[in-house]
Amino acid sequence: GENVEQHPSTLSVQEGDSAVIKCTYSDSASNYFPWYKQELGKGPQLIIDIRSNVGEKKDQRIAVTLNKTAKHFSLHITETQPEDSAVYFCAAPRAGNMLTFGGGTRLMVKP
Amino acid sequence: EAQVTQNPRYLITVTGKKLTVTCSQNMNHEYMSWYRQDPGLGLRQIYYSMNVEVTDKGDVPEGYKVSRKEKRNFPLILESPSPNQTSLYFCASSLLTGMAGGYTFGSGTRLTVV
Repeated sequence: GENVEQHPSTLSVQEGDSAVIKCTYSDSASNYFPWYKQELGKGPQLIIDIRSNVGEKKDQRIAVTLNKTAKHFSLHITETQPEDSAVYFCAAPRAGNMLTFGGGTRLMVKP
Repeated sequence: EAQVTQNPRYLITVTGKKLTVTCSQNMNHEYMSWYRQDPGLGLRQIYYSMNVEVTDKGDVPEGYKVSRKEKRNFPLILESPSPNQTSLYFCASSLLTGMAGGYTFGSGTRLTVV
C-alpha cells in the first residue's frame, strides 16, 4: 500500500520568511496529492492539491510542486504570516477513494 | 452551509462503557470515513464507507464498529472502550469519483477513556 513520509515534523520561521514542507510517497501510480491545514481545535481543511499531469500549482502565497520521477511533492508558503501557524498534512491516494496521510508538520510563524 | 458535523466535541468515559460518536454530512457525498489523530502518528484511518450499507476496515479498525444505514450518517461505535482509544477522532466525507474537492472533515471529537 501507499506510504507517505513528511518532513520536517516541526518548523519554525520568522514572519515574512518562506516555509517548505516535503513529502515522499511510495506508489508510482498515485496521481493526486492534496495538502491540508489544521488550525488549533479544528479539523483539517484542504488548502491546495495537485494532479500528476502538472508539475506545479500556485494559489496566492502557497504553491505545491511535484516530482513524479523522485516521487516527492512539496508545499511552499511565501511571505509567511502568524495566521499560517498550524499543522499541515500531505496525503496521497491508495486503492479506492482513500488517502494515506503524512505524519504532519507543525509550522510556527514567529512575529 | 456544506459541512460535516460530529458530536460530541468532547467526551470522557470509563473503560468498557459503550459509546457512539455521531457524524452527519449535508453534501450528498457517497464516501465517508473515520480517522484518529495521535501525536507523531498523523491521521490513521479506522473505517470507511463507499456508499449506503457498504463499509470496510481501514488501517486501525480493532475495537471499533461503524454503520451506514443512510447516506448522510456514519456513526462510530466503541463497544467496550479502552484507554488506548483515547484520541482525537475525525469524520470526513467526499464525492466518490476522482476525489474532486478532496475530503471535508468534521471539527473533531476528543475522547478520553479512563
